[in-house]
Amino acid sequence: DGGITQSPKYLFRKEGQNVTLSCEQNLNHDAMYWYRQDPGQGLRLIYYSQIVNDFQKGDIAEGYSVSREKKESFPLTVTSAQKNPTAFYLCASSIADSGETQYFGPGTRLLVL
Amino acid sequence: DAKTTQPPSMDCAEGRAANLPCNHSTISGNEYVYWYRQIHSQGPQYIIHGLKNNETNEMASLIITEDRKSSTLILPHATLRDTAVYYCIVRPRGNTGNQFYFGTGTSLTVIP
Repeated sequence: DGGITQSPKYLFRKEGQNVTLSCEQNLNHDAMYWYRQDPGQGLRLIYYSQIVNDFQKGDIAEGYSVSREKKESFPLTVTSAQKNPTAFYLCASSIADSGETQYFGPGTRLLVL
Repeated sequence: DAKTTQPPSMDCAEGRAANLPCNHSTISGNEYVYWYRQIHSQGPQYIIHGLKNNETNEMASLIITEDRKSSTLILPHATLRDTAVYYCIVRPRGNTGNQFYFGTGTSLTVIP
């Protein structure tokens, strides 16, 4: 069954703690994306990656970091520098970063204790 | 930057067609119209996209006006499971962009 998986579904962060959100896809897509969604709001791009070992900042990259060591994986770390991390985080992928349709994972909801 | 305008909410009776409008008066010649929907607390689901011709798939139909300044997503026989927020997005094809700008969309409620 092809698709995008995100884990965990819910994640809790303590003050000063870094947490990592997982995103895996078995669609053989080259491009992957991380978005943040706040209640009642649209999606905002955090980071994207067009190819392995390469990634670019989106509109709200401050306080976040990513890696792309494998084609199928694009983990997002929410660092302690991100002062308002409570949000719904969505990972997406597309065949290539050329305007192709993006397909989304189920999301991870991050809550701060 | 959202380039589309959608009504914030709509209701539709179960079994009837749901017609969701979208205005995109500043659309460029190389920009496609995409529709996604998001059921509460889930990731957005791709529905359909088109450039200038009407499109149909197993989920919906997309009607784009001749001047391309507006479009309508049609769910032919709405069910309760179609209750969701529907997003209309314009985006160029080709290596010119990287993200989908989701606005606040239309919250569709299908009523039994």
